[in-house]
Amino acid sequence: EVQLVESGGGLVQPGGSLRLSCAASGFTFSTYGMHWVRQAPGKGLEYVSAIRDNGGSTYYANCVKGRFTISRDNSKNTLYLQMGSLRTEDTAMYYCARGVGSGSYLDSWGQGTLVTVSS
Amino acid sequence: QSALTQPASVSGSPGQSITISCTGTSSDIGGYNYVSWYQQHPGKTPKLVIYDVNARPSGISYRFSGSKSGNTASLTISGLQAEDEADYYCSSYTSSSTFWVFGGGTKLTVL
Repeated sequence: EVQLVESGGGLVQPGGSLRLSCAASGFTFSTYGMHWVRQAPGKGLEYVSAIRDNGGSTYYANCVKGRFTISRDNSKNTLYLQMGSLRTEDTAMYYCARGVGSGSYLDSWGQGTLVTVSS
Repeated sequence: QSALTQPASVSGSPGQSITISCTGTSSDIGGYNYVSWYQQHPGKTPKLVIYDVNARPSGISYRFSGSKSGNTASLTISGLQAEDEADYYCSSYTSSSTFWVFGGGTKLTVL
């Protein structure tokens, strides 16, 4: 069974940093692209970042480019999102998800970790 | 503002069929057959219900179907059931610098 477990969320002040992790199990992690998707309270889904299976290519939403860095450690079956220069508008539930196929549809999602940016 | 446009809400009675539209451009929906749809119940994680425009993942009811015409994709749910009441999001690969985009979401109410 595919399992994705996020951690690392919490309360952080504007301008601060946070690192999210996503521990994967139940599948060969190194053969799948992975995504971070967020959802602000009461709002819709928003792509944040993605990374290819071997980590060779990364993608970012314009609103986080230059502030967030996605990475992965295939030896630890873990996905990361380093978040910096955090803003109040980054407050959201952050989900990691597995990407499948040429179009990288998201077939498995974690339960999410909540990030709150507030003073 | 989302890159893909969905109606904010749709409704239908049990047993009826409803269709949710998702309008984009030639840079996303019109240019690729990589449209997917996600169902999200309140307080729950999103769930994939359609991928690659019209393919159903294992375990998803045949009542869910997808299609595309030009720059608009559609999700149709037939034989509406109370359990279908949820938010639905479309998504597409895009040639823009963001690579993937979601629609703003549609709240489905089963009357």
